Amino acid sequence: QVQLVQSGAEVKKPGASVKVSCKASGYTFTDYYMHWVRQAPGQGLECMGWINPKNGGTNYAQKFQGRVTMTRDTSISTVYMELSRLRSDDTAVYYCARENDYYEFWGQGTLVTVSS
Amino acid sequence: DIVMTQSPDSLAVSLGERATINCKSSQSVLYSSNNKNYFAWYQQKPGQPPKLLIYWASTRESGVPDRFSGSGSGTDFTLTISSLQAEDVAVYYCEQYYYTPRTFGQGTKVEIK
Repeated sequence: QVQLVQSGAEVKKPGASVKVSCKASGYTFTDYYMHWVRQAPGQGLECMGWINPKNGGTNYAQKFQGRVTMTRDTSISTVYMELSRLRSDDTAVYYCARENDYYEFWGQGTLVTVSS
Repeated sequence: DIVMTQSPDSLAVSLGERATINCKSSQSVLYSSNNKNYFAWYQQKPGQPPKLLIYWASTRESGVPDRFSGSGSGTDFTLTISSLQAEDVAVYYCEQYYYTPRTFGQGTKVEIK
């Protein structure tokens, strides 16, 4: 069965960077794009962008361009999302989600807390 | 960016009664070449990731109870829960995946009256 398992919670100071991982299993890793979606506490869902695991191609939402980098390691079926120059309003749960046009499968989420 | 507006923001429905959630897109998400609406509904319970309920506006995901149904086309869509069960208490989100960036509605909280 398809599983997306994310790395654990992080606490970071303003200005730092965070790198969240998402390990896929149960399907051919390179067959589906992976997206990152975040959710601030008590708020809605916000798309950050996607990565094509086959060739590493990416597309980032304009809001995050210059601060976000999505990469992948095909040898371990894992995608990564790195967000730099963190601010307090980056405090959120970050999800990876496998795209089949719609978001068919989601990771369990990774809480990133930005606090001085 | 495409704006997805859900109504109401919250609703309380008695067990066994019908719940209806609406979502309006600021632009049509119907692709004329394949006649598909690039539109989905998700359910999110506290502490859990969203769960796909409906895609292509009206196709129920495998394993989703048939009391959940989706309808609509173009810019106006509806999620109906025909007979609300206790386990349906959650926040429901609509999403368009036609335009980049993909965007979600603000969410509708469904509770038991």
